[in-house]
Parts: sequence; structure tokens; C-alpha cells
Amino acid sequence: GAGVSQSPSNKVTEKGKDVELRCDPISGHTALYWYRQSLGQGLEFLIYFQGNSAPDKSGLPSDRFSAERTGGSVSTLTIQRTQQEDSAVYLCASSPGLLSRPDTQYFGPGTRLTVL
Amino acid sequence: KQEVTQIPAALSVPEGENLVLNCSFTDSAIYNLQWFRQDPGKGLTSLLLIQSSQREQTSGRLNASLDKSSGRSTLYIAASQPGDSATYLCAAISSNTGKLIFGQGTTLQVKP
Repeated sequence: GAGVSQSPSNKVTEKGKDVELRCDPISGHTALYWYRQSLGQGLEFLIYFQGNSAPDKSGLPSDRFSAERTGGSVSTLTIQRTQQEDSAVYLCASSPGLLSRPDTQYFGPGTRLTVL
Repeated sequence: KQEVTQIPAALSVPEGENLVLNCSFTDSAIYNLQWFRQDPGKGLTSLLLIQSSQREQTSGRLNASLDKSSGRSTLYIAASQPGDSATYLCAAISSNTGKLIFGQGTTLQVKP
């Protein structure tokens, strides 16, 4: 079946512009995660959605970052007033979310964001 | 705060060799530990997930072990092949939300 998909695959933007990154999780997966992979910081957790529960936003680095998940499926990560340090690969993952404990996460190919 | 460390950062071996990648974590109160593979410019592929109640998991030539008391996990690759060349990441889950805390990865090169 289809895996996690992300769009765009590459995004180049100018400093100060807003960007939106999209994630389509595996159909039926209720848990969705955003991570960021940058050269200096490795892979970092950003935000987590589970069903209709309030998201865990503890990893968002600043209030310029926000994310939403509509209809329990597609998610959009928005970065406002982008800065050069936001340049990274943004990875989305989904998980069945049916167990009482954390389960295997399946990752998308990522969006490579470059802020000039 | 959970911290995950992987040693070595890079490893180069001849084809056919058996090898071990190491992962250590500071907080033993984990739900599970997951090993991933990442090819250049690609996303992450899940290799093995070990539940906190388990000691090891096997998939083909891969075997991952978990020792919670010592805060360690190892990924054993048998009879390595050039196609195994990639970066291997381990990640611990310490929260019921399932958020992964990643190590910095070990970049493996298997030479033909």
C-alpha cells in the first residue's frame, strides 16, 4: 500500500517568507509526527498528533512554527517568517496508534527546506 | 531528559564481515527502542523495534538487542554487503506519546 507522502520534496524560499509543508500519512494511521533533521542538531521531534487529542507541541522551536491536522488525516506544518536556521529536512511519520503503547513509526521521504 | 548516543560515528568494513553498531541511552525508563536505516537524501526506513519487555529482535541478517538496565542497544549485521552501506539511527521512546529521541547515527560503508 501507499506509504507516507510529503510535499513538496524541495522548497527554496527567501528569508522572511512563510512556508507550508504537507504530510499525507498512511491511510488509517491515527498518530502523526513531525521531525526536523539538520546538520548541527541531528533529528529532532517537533510535534505529535493522536486522533482528536490535543497535540504535543513540546518540540516546536519557536512560535513561528505551527502545525495542524485536518480531519485526522493530512497535516500541514507552517513556518512563518522563515530564518536561515530553519533550513533542514522536515520529516513526517505516522503510526497505527491503535495500541496502548507506542508502535512502529513509518517515515515519509521528507521535505528539504532551504532558506536563502 | 533522555539522551541517545551512538558509537562509532562512522565505520568502514570489507564485504562479508559481521559488525556491531552501538547505541546507549541515559534514561532506562523507555517504552521501546527502534533502529532505522537512512540512505543519502532519503527518509528513514524502520528496521527493528524492540519493546521494553523484550531483549532482542531479529530480521534476516539483522539482530537488535536491548539491555535496559545498562542503557544499551546493539544492532548486529551479519555477513555485511555493499548494499548495507547507509546511516543507521537508533531512537528511544520514553513517552507514551511515542516521540522518538534519536542518536546522531553511525554511517556504515561496506566495501566490495
